[in-house]
Amino acid sequence: EAGVVQSPRYKIIEKKQPVAFWCNPISGHNTLYWYRQNLGQGPELLIRYENEEAVDDSQLPKDRFSAERLKGVDSTLKIQPAELGDSAVYLCASSYPLRGSQETQYFGPGTRLLVL
Amino acid sequence: ELKVEQNPLFLSMQEGKNYTIYCNYSTTSDRLYWYRQDPGKSLESLFVLLSNGAVKQEGRLMASLDTKARLSTLHITAAVHDLSATYFCAVRDSGTYKYIFGTGTRLKVLA
Repeated sequence: EAGVVQSPRYKIIEKKQPVAFWCNPISGHNTLYWYRQNLGQGPELLIRYENEEAVDDSQLPKDRFSAERLKGVDSTLKIQPAELGDSAVYLCASSYPLRGSQETQYFGPGTRLLVL
Repeated sequence: ELKVEQNPLFLSMQEGKNYTIYCNYSTTSDRLYWYRQDPGKSLESLFVLLSNGAVKQEGRLMASLDTKARLSTLHITAAVHDLSATYFCAVRDSGTYKYIFGTGTRLKVLA
């Protein structure tokens, strides 16, 4: 079974430039998450999708961040314009409700963003 | 606001020794997770704990959950070098369904 796929793996941009990240979840997983992980810290949820609907975007800085999940499969996360403080690893995860609530998240390899 | 605290933040231990990592959370949660993260890698799911008194074991790692105390432990038995990694606990808030991660415990097992 293929895992969660993310691209690019690394991105270096100058501040004020736009950047986009792509995520392809595990086939059949209807829940998709975007997290941001700063160095030495745990992941912080940015947005959660149930199919194509964003059910929790309370932590997404909407002035510069946007996300979409067309057709309830792939998702993109965009930052425009990027700021120095956006340097982090952006993780995508997916999950599927299992019997007995054993639902777990499967994480992709992440995109490491450096804003100069 | 749901907070998840882990301690210790850093742990250096000798091979063969036992140790416990603690995870405290501040509000009602219906599930707790333990993850492992190797440097430069993504997170790997280790355990899902759903109910009070739940205990799960895999190899040298054993996780338990006390929902009344809002505490989970990850016990390491007879540590080996391959267990060196950062371990995160995460809880799902039972009201908002939001997942909150702890700050992680960086474990280094010395040969």
